[in-house]
Formats: sequence, C-alpha cells, structure tokens
Amino acid sequence: DVKVTQSSRYLVKRTGEKVFLECVQDMDHENMFWYRQDPGLGLRLIYFSYDVKMKEKGDIPEGYSVSREKKERFSLILESASTNQTSMYLCASTPEGPQPQHFGDGTRLSIL
Amino acid sequence: SQQGEEDPQALSIQEGENATMNCSYKTSINNLQWYRQNSGRGLVHLILIRSNEREKHSGRLRVTLDTSKKSSSLLITASRAADTASYFCATAGFLDTGRRALTFGSGTRLQVQP
Repeated sequence: DVKVTQSSRYLVKRTGEKVFLECVQDMDHENMFWYRQDPGLGLRLIYFSYDVKMKEKGDIPEGYSVSREKKERFSLILESASTNQTSMYLCASTPEGPQPQHFGDGTRLSIL
Repeated sequence: SQQGEEDPQALSIQEGENATMNCSYKTSINNLQWYRQNSGRGLVHLILIRSNEREKHSGRLRVTLDTSKKSSSLLITASRAADTASYFCATAGFLDTGRRALTFGSGTRLQVQP
C-alpha cells in the first residue's frame, strides 16, 4: 500500500514565521501535490510537482513556495506566515497521468 | 477552470437507506473520481470513472457519469454508520490542456444514523 506521510498532524506558529510542511511518499510516484482545505471551499491546489526539481503553480500559490530535491519528498514553505493561512494542509501523490491520488492525513496549521 | 460541485452539501439518512450524491462540472474531462474523507483525516480514493464509461460499480458503490450533462452521481446502497464521512468528486482534465492536477468540489457531508 502507498504511504504518504506528513511530518506533523498539528502545528501552531506565529505570524511572520517561516513554516515548513514536509511530505514523504514511499511508492516512487512522479507527481506530488499540496492542497489546503477550508470549510465550504473543498480542496484548493497550491502547488504540484511532476518531477524532481520541477514545480507548477496551482490555483492559490500566493504566499507559498515548494521544494522537491528528492523524488520522495515534497515540502511546502510559508515564507512569512499570516493568519489567513490557518488551514488544513493535505499532501498527495500519484503515478504519472490523471491517476487516483494517495493522500496523507493532513497537517492542521494554526497561525497566531 | 473546471470544478466539481457536489449536491447536496449535507445529507442525513438512517442506516440501511441508500445515499445519493451528485456532482456537476464545467469542462471536458478525462475521468471523474470520487473520494471519501473521515473527519480529521486525509482523502481516500473510492472509484474512478472514465469519460467513455456511463456506469461503474464497486461493492455497495455505484457511480454514473453523464458527459452530455456534465454530471455524475455516487450511490451508496444499504448505508452503514461507518459510511459517515465527507464525499468529494474530482475531475481530471486532459494533459494537453496544461492542467495535470485534479479539481475537487466542496464535498457532501453524509451522516448515517444508527
């Protein structure tokens, strides 16, 4: 079974801090994704990566950046955290193509 | 951009009843997928239906797709309390449109009363 592991289930940070969210998958998947989930808004795509060192902006990339130095790891970076970035963050991976995505359990991030 | 919109937003039924959730989207798709999310957890893929398919079954799940109406439905038969979760549809476009990612709807919250 594919396992997607997010480094923290819960995280509390302060405004202005630089925040790193880490995601690791163990199935050699090409594609990895970061979403945020807010009540009533569903999942919104922040960034995705289809290969090492490759990335593409999703629907809401402002205030975020990503890093994919190794195939199995995809990091989401909040450059200067703000309160409107308080949310549930979900990481997912998939083999190439529009295949079903495998999700981690999410990180619930609170920015105070 | 294409987007799946689920209907209803919330559904409460008794154990043993059937639950039907609907999804509408806006543009051409390669496939449509349904996911389930238990409270506080990640999403789990349930079923994928391709654009040239009209109906698909998996256990107690039945999915239909009507590309002319740009809509899909998920039917859960003989529901159980353990089916309580949020359900999302997600559409996959064609790679030549430049969008490689899925587009998720806002979900249907299903409550199955024991």
